[in-house]
Amino acid sequence: DIQMTQSPSSLSASVGDRVTITCRASQSIKSYLNWYQQKPGKAPKLLIYDASSLQKGAPSRFSGSGSGTDFILTISSLQPEDFATYYCQQSHTAPQTFGGGTKVEVK
Amino acid sequence: QVTLKESGPALVKPTQTLTLTCTFSGFSLSTIGMRVAWIRQPPGKALEWLARIDWDDDKFYSTSLKTRLTISKDTSKNQVVLSMTNVDPGDTATYYCARMPTSISSFDYWGQGTLVTVSS
Repeated sequence: DIQMTQSPSSLSASVGDRVTITCRASQSIKSYLNWYQQKPGKAPKLLIYDASSLQKGAPSRFSGSGSGTDFILTISSLQPEDFATYYCQQSHTAPQTFGGGTKVEVK
Repeated sequence: QVTLKESGPALVKPTQTLTLTCTFSGFSLSTIGMRVAWIRQPPGKALEWLARIDWDDDKFYSTSLKTRLTISKDTSKNQVVLSMTNVDPGDTATYYCARMPTSISSFDYWGQGTLVTVSS
């Protein structure tokens, strides 16, 4: 199975901050990397697919980059509604594993 | 409008078989390139990919759970069913179904999830 490792597991930030979350795959997944946002008690929501494509309806302050094994999710200016947990997921090979999550908390 | 909804028992006893149904609308699982998967999330923990079924009836399973899982579809009813045998308290989780079209190879629509507790 392809292992997905996210870092950090949690971070504290303030509104307006630039936030970056990294995701590393245990082998090359080309650009088959997705990012989701999850708020407590809710289903995850797709933000970024194919490493860098913004899902319809997702705010443009979210961006993704990377290919191969190393990927980054960037929030250019953190908004109050962005405090949540973020997951990466590889869709290169089944089982299409998720990372362990990164919780973005209020500083 | 695409929707998915999970249904099944809220409480199951250890060693029993859990059967969950995902009923969806707004798309067809007979459409080339369409896929539906099950994902679970134990309380306070990360998402875990469980199984996927494709438009052509290909099936894929979690490596660690594959001996206990069966996924199937009923295209005429717009349903995907997941069965998990021999459950234990470690299977307590919210179970989600989600759609994954090959065009974007990501879960673009999710159900609301259903909490399943395994306890005697």
